[in-house]
Amino acid sequence: NAGVTQTPKFQVLKTGQSMTLQCAQDMNHEYMSWYRQDPGMGLRLIHYSVGAGITDQGEVPNGYNVSRSTTEDFPLRLLSAAPSQTSVYFCASRTPPGLGLKQYFGPGTRLTVL
Amino acid sequence: AQSVAQPEDQVNVAEGNPLTVKCTYSVSGNPYLFWYVQYPNRGLQFLLKYITGDNLVKGSYGFEAEFNKSQTSFHLKKPSALVSDSALYFCAVGYGQNFVFGPGTRLSVLP
Repeated sequence: NAGVTQTPKFQVLKTGQSMTLQCAQDMNHEYMSWYRQDPGMGLRLIHYSVGAGITDQGEVPNGYNVSRSTTEDFPLRLLSAAPSQTSVYFCASRTPPGLGLKQYFGPGTRLTVL
Repeated sequence: AQSVAQPEDQVNVAEGNPLTVKCTYSVSGNPYLFWYVQYPNRGLQFLLKYITGDNLVKGSYGFEAEFNKSQTSFHLKKPSALVSDSALYFCAVGYGQNFVFGPGTRLSVLP
């Protein structure tokens, strides 16, 4: 299986533009999440989902929307891009606690907002 | 609030020497503890985890980690470092539905 896939790999936006980062997994995981990675700050949770139709906010949700219409897909939408959203974005899915909470990460999307 | 600290931004070690990357955490209850590695321009890869049981956990690529409940630490170790181990290492705590990641430690293994 492909694991967790993300598109695009790179993106440059102008301030105020909107876009959607795509994420898909083929492991039938209920739990999926989006993180952003900034130098010296580790990964910070943006939004997460515990199953189709269920999403919730993480640590840094402002400026981002998510939806989860299927188990496989978990897109992240930037509503009106700002330079502060320049970052590397990772999507992840994981197994439930009873199966060890093992997370699988996508390859990342490097976003630059001018 | 749950938090993870990695006190060293950078660790340098000579090839063949033992390495340690430190991690301490602050979380209520019994957390799940993880180490991940990130190579340049890649996503994070799972190395090992501690849930319960033996305090010494063995993982991928010869790495191991020691859980110390009294010191709330989960240090990553390897007996003999390789140049190919050079990467960014993240400690993480899993609790409830979520994870908290440390800021990362860059490991450089010098030939």
